[in-house]
Parts: sequence; structure tokens; C-alpha cells
Amino acid sequence: EAQVTQNPRYLITVTGKKLTVTCSQNMNHEYMSWYRQDPGLGLRQIYYSMNVEVTDKGDVPEGYKVSRKEKRNFPLILESPSPNQTSLYFCASRITGRDSPLHFGNGTRLTVT
Amino acid sequence: AQSVAQPEDQVNVAEGNPLTVKCTYSVSGNPYLFWYVQYPNRGLQFLLKYITGDNLVKGSYGFEAEFNKSQTSFHLKKPSALVSDSALYFCAVRDPPSYSGAGSYQLTFGKGTKLSVIP
Repeated sequence: EAQVTQNPRYLITVTGKKLTVTCSQNMNHEYMSWYRQDPGLGLRQIYYSMNVEVTDKGDVPEGYKVSRKEKRNFPLILESPSPNQTSLYFCASRITGRDSPLHFGNGTRLTVT
Repeated sequence: AQSVAQPEDQVNVAEGNPLTVKCTYSVSGNPYLFWYVQYPNRGLQFLLKYITGDNLVKGSYGFEAEFNKSQTSFHLKKPSALVSDSALYFCAVRDPPSYSGAGSYQLTFGKGTKLSVIP
């Protein structure tokens, strides 16, 4: 089944404790992206990657890191999480091309205390 | 920069009645427009897109959307609502080619509209 898989689904952590949210897609998509969803703000892009070893900042990159060493994986790293990073995070992928739709994972709900 | 507005935070409709979820956009050049749906505890799912051609676009689950260039709108519609249509709906617009670096074509989302279909 074609899918984007995120892990974990739920994560509770404390301020400053490094964490990684994994994302993997099995559709051979070149493009991958991370979003955060907050009430009243919709989805905001954190980082995106056009292909292996190519990443770029989205609208809200501060406090996050990403890497794209393999085509299928695009982990999101929070090296020193803070409470304002409490949010619902989504990974997405698509083929290149302006009209191609995004395929989303089921989300990771992160709480930082 | 492009933008999308969904003027209603919530829309309530009775089961069997027609539904409309509104979206207006602002973008330079020809818009590429998308609708996504988010069910509880799930990621967003693609519903339909407008690229060019017929102003009425048909998508998944019986949804359709009407593109209106003069009003810069892309409203989502369904002739007869189902309780199972209750979800969060997002409109999105993609960068025009002249705006995106190296063809990245970023997607800008609206803030979402919660649709409740009442039995």
C-alpha cells in the first residue's frame, strides 16, 4: 500500500530533551516536507526537500532540523524542544511537478512540558 | 506572495442538504488550487485540484469545486451531504512557476473549515 509513515504517533517530552520524528514513504517521491498544524493557524511548512541531500527552509524552520540521506526517509529533529513546539506534525511527499498532490502521513502529536 | 482565505471557521449543514465550503485566493498568474480533507486523527487527504480548463472540477467522495476567476474563488460543493463528510477541510494554492525556486512549488494552506453534517 502506498503510504507515508510517521513515528511515533504521540510523544510527550520535556524541554531540552532531543527528539526525532521519523518519516518514510514508499512511493519513490522526490519531494518531501514537514508541516505543523496549530488551531487557528492551519498548516505551516517547516522544511522541505526536493531530493536526496537537498533541503530548504519553509515558513517556520526555527528550532528544527532535517536531513535527507535516503530518498524514502525525511526525519524531523528537535535538538532542544521548547513548549512552543507543542503541536501536531505532518510529513508529506509528492512527485515533482506543479500539479501533483501531496500525500500525508497520519501525524505526530508532540507535547513538550 | 500567494494567500488563501477560508472565511468560515465552521459550517453546519443538515444531512441530505447541499453543502458549500468557501475559499478565496490571491496569487500572481494562473492559480493551481487544491482541496484537502482531514478526518479525526488522520492526515490530510487530497480531494480535488484545479489546474486549467473546465471551471467545475470533480473529485473524490462526490465533491466538486467551482473555480471563479473574476471572484478569485474556489468553493467546495457537494449536492447532498452525508454525516460521514464531517471533517476539517483545507483549501490550498500552489506557487506560480515564476515564484518558486528551482520548481519547488510550495503549497500555501488556508486555516481550515470544520464541516459538521447534522443527522
